[in-house]
Amino acid sequence: ILNVEQSPQSLHVQEGDSTNFTCSFPSSNFYALHWYRWETAKSPEALFVMTLNGDEKKKGRISATLNTKEGYSYLYIKGSQPEDSATYLCAFTSGSRLTFGEGTQLTVNP
Amino acid sequence: DTGVSQDPRHKITKRGQNVTFRCDPISEHNRLYWYRQTLGQGPEFLTYFQNEAQLEKSRLLSDRFSAERPKGSFSTLEIQRTEQGDSAMYLCASSSSGFTKNIQYFGAGTRLSVL
Repeated sequence: ILNVEQSPQSLHVQEGDSTNFTCSFPSSNFYALHWYRWETAKSPEALFVMTLNGDEKKKGRISATLNTKEGYSYLYIKGSQPEDSATYLCAFTSGSRLTFGEGTQLTVNP
Repeated sequence: DTGVSQDPRHKITKRGQNVTFRCDPISEHNRLYWYRQTLGQGPEFLTYFQNEAQLEKSRLLSDRFSAERPKGSFSTLEIQRTEQGDSAMYLCASSSSGFTKNIQYFGAGTRLSVL
């Protein structure tokens, strides 16, 4: 049974704060780690996919790192804005299916 | 709009009724996936197709559930004799089987409420 765990479950920050979330996943049979952002009433949006140990990806104020040996990934948001409010999901894959964590619900207060 | 589309967006039904959802993937994608998300949980894999072939099914997919992708394009997910426990968001995703690290693009989902 694959277990993907995310922490924290929810997070409330003030506009301008920087924040980070954690995703832990099985380190065996690893193929890729995905981060998605899911706003209410919209489609989950692919943010990053990482495959190599030590990978770092960046998209604007959001960045992610990957450690496949110890089985964790961090997502960082610098200078949070209210429009960053969403649920952030990580997903592990060793083949075709994605196995998701429960997500981190981020609320950014203006 | 060239993304993944799902229809309907919301479905309310009475227990025991049958429901069918449709998913239209991104046109050049040959893989199509169904996931289910319940409150407080991440999406859970149900099944996936490569072209018209159903290649993998989760044990979550009971015999009341059936999915088809008859021409390798759109897909339908049918739930027979719905139960209250079937209430969830049903998400569809598509991807290309080329070397794309299996990035899956999701639709906005169909929210099912079983009364």
